[in-house]
Amino acid sequence: SQQGEEDPQALSIQEGENATMNCSYKTSINNLQWYRQNSGRGLVHLILIRSNEREKHSGRLRVTLDTSKKSSSLLITASRAADTASYFCATGGGGNKLTFGTGTQLKVEL
Amino acid sequence: GAVVSQHPSRVICKSGTSVKIECRSLDFQATTMFWYRQFPKQSLMLMATSNEGSKATYEQGVEKDKFLINHASLTLSTLTVTSAHPEDSSFYICSASGGGLSADTQYFGPGTRLTVL
Repeated sequence: SQQGEEDPQALSIQEGENATMNCSYKTSINNLQWYRQNSGRGLVHLILIRSNEREKHSGRLRVTLDTSKKSSSLLITASRAADTASYFCATGGGGNKLTFGTGTQLKVEL
Repeated sequence: GAVVSQHPSRVICKSGTSVKIECRSLDFQATTMFWYRQFPKQSLMLMATSNEGSKATYEQGVEKDKFLINHASLTLSTLTVTSAHPEDSSFYICSASGGGLSADTQYFGPGTRLTVL
């Protein structure tokens, strides 16, 4: 399966700033999900957006999906040091399988 | 809810030995479990999908005789790395879905760091 590309690969911001990560994928999807991974740990599910949705919010997270451009973005507002982690998009094409993107390493500095 | 555990969290073994990693869903019945492999600073690569009571489906390029997967119950799947070599050193992560939870979402274990000397 082909992975999606995430951009940027690494992002460093100051606490309180917003962080935006982008994900592009190649095949048609049923849904797109974002996960967070703290260093050396498992993944935590953040948010799922379905192919017929364009935008979704959850707390400080905002996800957009543009199926015509095969892209999605994750915005974290008012970032905190605890948001430091790697963020992965994952596309679901049916049958429960997920294809993960290359990831963005976010560092939020005090 | 939807907690998945893995054991062990770290394992160091000698080349040529076999290592078994357990993945358990603690508070739900996982009809499907997935095994991933992750190299440092890289993404997760799906190795195989297993459904309870049936044979695992391996992704292209993954040797089924080397990475033995057993999903004998709705709460336990095991991955055995047979005749491990240094190139098998990696971070192995399992995930689970099912049990009335959203079929689209996978719940991940904390991972197992395997080092083969």
